[in-house]
Formats: sequence, C-alpha cells, structure tokens
Amino acid sequence: ETGVTQSPTHLIKTRGQQVTLRCSSQSGHNTVSWYQQALGQGPQFIFPYYREEENGRGNFPPRFSGLQFPNYSSELNVNALELDDSALYLCASSLERGRSYEQYFGPGTRLTVT
Amino acid sequence: DQQVKQNSPSLSVQEGRISILNCDYTNSMFDYFLWYKKYPAEGPTFLISISSIKDKNEDGRFTVFLNKSAKHLSLHIVPSQPGDSAVYFCAAISNSGYALNFGKGTSLLVTP
Repeated sequence: ETGVTQSPTHLIKTRGQQVTLRCSSQSGHNTVSWYQQALGQGPQFIFPYYREEENGRGNFPPRFSGLQFPNYSSELNVNALELDDSALYLCASSLERGRSYEQYFGPGTRLTVT
Repeated sequence: DQQVKQNSPSLSVQEGRISILNCDYTNSMFDYFLWYKKYPAEGPTFLISISSIKDKNEDGRFTVFLNKSAKHLSLHIVPSQPGDSAVYFCAAISNSGYALNFGKGTSLLVTP
C-alpha cells in the first residue's frame, strides 16, 4: 500500500509569485484535502477535492485554488503569494465522506515566501 | 474562532508512567474525534479515533475517552515510552463535511 506523497519538499518563492504544490493520494483513496499549518498552530483546512471537484472551503481566499485528476492526485495553486502564506502545506487522503472519517497525511511541503 | 482547544502546550512524563492529553471542543455538531501524532519534518500520523456515540475506545497502549456533556476528550498513553515524544493534535469533524478541525497541539516529552 502506497502512502500519501507530496512534492516538492521545500520551496522558496517571492511575494507576488505563484506556486503549485502536488499530492498523490494513498492507494484506494478518492478524496484529497489540503491544509495549511503555520508555525505553532494546528493544521487549518483549506478545501477538499472529491470526484475532481472542490467540495467546500475553509477560511481561505480565492487565490487558493486546486485541481484533482482522474487518478485522484491533486494540486494546490496559490496566486499572488503573500508573506503570511509561509507555512507547511499538508495534503490528506481519505475515502469519501460517510465511509470513513480518518484522513491520512503526507509529509508536507514547506513554503517560504520572502 | 478556535472550535477545538488543547490548553496544555507541553507535557513531560517519565517513562513507564501514564500520559494524559486533554482536548475541549465547542461545536456540538462534531460527531467524530481523532488524535494525530506529529514528529518534526513529518506529516501528522493518525493514532486513534472515537465516534460521538461511544465514550471510550482502546487500541493497545492508547485509550481515548469522550465526555460529550462536558465537550471534552482525553488521550491516555500507558505505559509511556520515549518514542512517544512528539506533538499530539486533537481533531474533530462533523458528518456533513470534510474539514478536520484541529487544536494547536500538545508537545509530549517522555523522559527515561
């Protein structure tokens, strides 16, 4: 069984730039959720993708967007980067809602915005 | 507005003793609760969960207790081992959404 993988591991960007982060879900899982974890905080929910569609959103602006592909992998795109976007970005895969509540996390991508 | 709260940022316990990590929540719509463990430079690892229709769930050395009337849950680790040293996050989810709502975490240190 393959776990959740994320790429890249680390990334440094300049304010105003755009970034794309990638996630491959655990085998057998069809839902991917993205979270942002700032230093000293718990992960904050951004949005989930199920059946290639966004299914709800946490308190994040539209410049945070995503995609899910037919193989259930997913991308998180952030436009017009701000200094406060510096954080660990985590993706979590799961079975669809109603079958299981457990979400399994990848190792994360550390984004630094300068 | 923090709906899940872990009021102890850190906890130190001797090896072999019991570790008790606490968590409070405010949203009565939560119906499933999870504990995750996180080592530095790794993502959170799922540890144990409990449904709101239960008051206890046990898995080896780990037991989670839920008190719905007090909106409180706790994770007991018995006996504690040095390898348990990590940050522990409490999380909650309702059956109508995908969002895990996390606390800020409690850093557990188990000393030999």
